Amino acid sequence: EVQLVESGGGLVQPGGSLRLSCAASGFTFNIYWMTWVRQAPGKGLEWVANINQDGSEKYYVDSVKGRFTISRDNAKNSLYLQMNSLRAEDTAVYYCAREYYDSSGYYYPIDYWGQGTLVTVSS
Amino acid sequence: EIVLTQSPVTLSLSPGERATLSCRASQSVSSFLAWYQQKPGQAPRLLIYDAFNRATGIPARFSGSASGTDFTLTISSLEPEDFAVYYCQHRTNWRITFGQGTRLEIK
Repeated sequence: EVQLVESGGGLVQPGGSLRLSCAASGFTFNIYWMTWVRQAPGKGLEWVANINQDGSEKYYVDSVKGRFTISRDNAKNSLYLQMNSLRAEDTAVYYCAREYYDSSGYYYPIDYWGQGTLVTVSS
Repeated sequence: EIVLTQSPVTLSLSPGERATLSCRASQSVSSFLAWYQQKPGQAPRLLIYDAFNRATGIPARFSGSASGTDFTLTISSLEPEDFAVYYCQHRTNWRITFGQGTRLEIK
């Protein structure tokens, strides 16, 4: 059974840092792109960042560039999001998710999501 | 950057009725469009991929269609569990874009 389990969320003051983790199991982690998607309270879904299979490609939405860093450890089947200089507008549930995209151009969209971890940025 | 615009924002229907949800892309996305369903307190669930294909385990009452840059999710006969928020989604290269969502509510 595919499982994605996020951890690391919580309450942090503006300007602070948090590191989110996502533990993956039940599938071959190192053949999937991995993605972070967030959802502010009462709002829609927003892609945050994604990373390719070996971690050599990393992409971010403009609003988090220079503040957030996505990474992965394939030996530990884990995905991370280091969030620095946090702002009130970063308050959201953060979901870890997998997507499939290979070198031939074949793409299969996000089909598994974690349960989400809530990040609240407030003084 | 591709923008996905969903309509309507809210759709009020009764169980048994047919639901038609729309997603318009600001430029060609070929058929690389997916639809998700999200219920309160839950993660989204993949319904449709590549505009037309039902994901594993999705009931046949859900179907997707496309015409140029206009995409449609149709629920042929609404069940009580179908009332939720629906999002369309596209990926260009590495960037993932979601529509703003359509809330399907019970009339």
